[in-house]
Amino acid sequence: EAGVTQFPSHSVIEKGQTVTLRCDPISGHDNLYWYRRVMGKEIKFLLHFVKESKQDESGMPNNRFLAERTGGTYSTLKVQPAELEDSGVYFCASSQDWLAGAHGELFFGEGSRLTVL
Amino acid sequence: AQSVTQLGSHVSVSEGALVLLRCNYSSSVPPYLFWYVQYPNQGLQLLLKYTTGATLVKGINGFEAEFKKSETSFHLTKPSAHMSDAAEYFCAVSDHDAGNMLTFGGGTRLMVKP
Repeated sequence: EAGVTQFPSHSVIEKGQTVTLRCDPISGHDNLYWYRRVMGKEIKFLLHFVKESKQDESGMPNNRFLAERTGGTYSTLKVQPAELEDSGVYFCASSQDWLAGAHGELFFGEGSRLTVL
Repeated sequence: AQSVTQLGSHVSVSEGALVLLRCNYSSSVPPYLFWYVQYPNQGLQLLLKYTTGATLVKGINGFEAEFKKSETSFHLTKPSAHMSDAAEYFCAVSDHDAGNMLTFGGGTRLMVKP
């Protein structure tokens, strides 16, 4: 069974450009999460999808970040325009259902490293 | 708001020695508690968790952790380190009444010397 896959693994862009990160959760996992780790800091929650709906987007930093999950399958996270402080590793995770997620049974991808110059 | 503190961003032990990674949390109510591990070039994976019941929980690869409410701690231990334990370890909590958001500590990188 394929795990959570993220693309690209590493992206280097200039300040002001746009980047789109993609996450493919484990097949059948309705719950999908985005987290971010800025260099030297904690991993922080960004948002939580249940199917195609945003269950909780309280961690989204500002309106330069847009997350979508059309059809309840894969998800994208777009940063537009990117700023220097957006650099970090963006993790995607999925859980089989809400309860599994509440119990920490998340499957994480390897992360997408974003470098903004 | 919840917070998680991991004492020591880097811990080095010799192979065969005790591993002790510290985690303290602050929360208004006892949260759910987790340890995740990230091996090089891999995603985070759940090592063990405490939700309810027995306060000493066992996880994969010989690790265990004890929830101590009076100390607001959830330290991770392993009696004998193995070279393959070298990884970054993250303590996390969730407020089970407030959704599935995890609050992570800063992580501890464990190095194991031969």
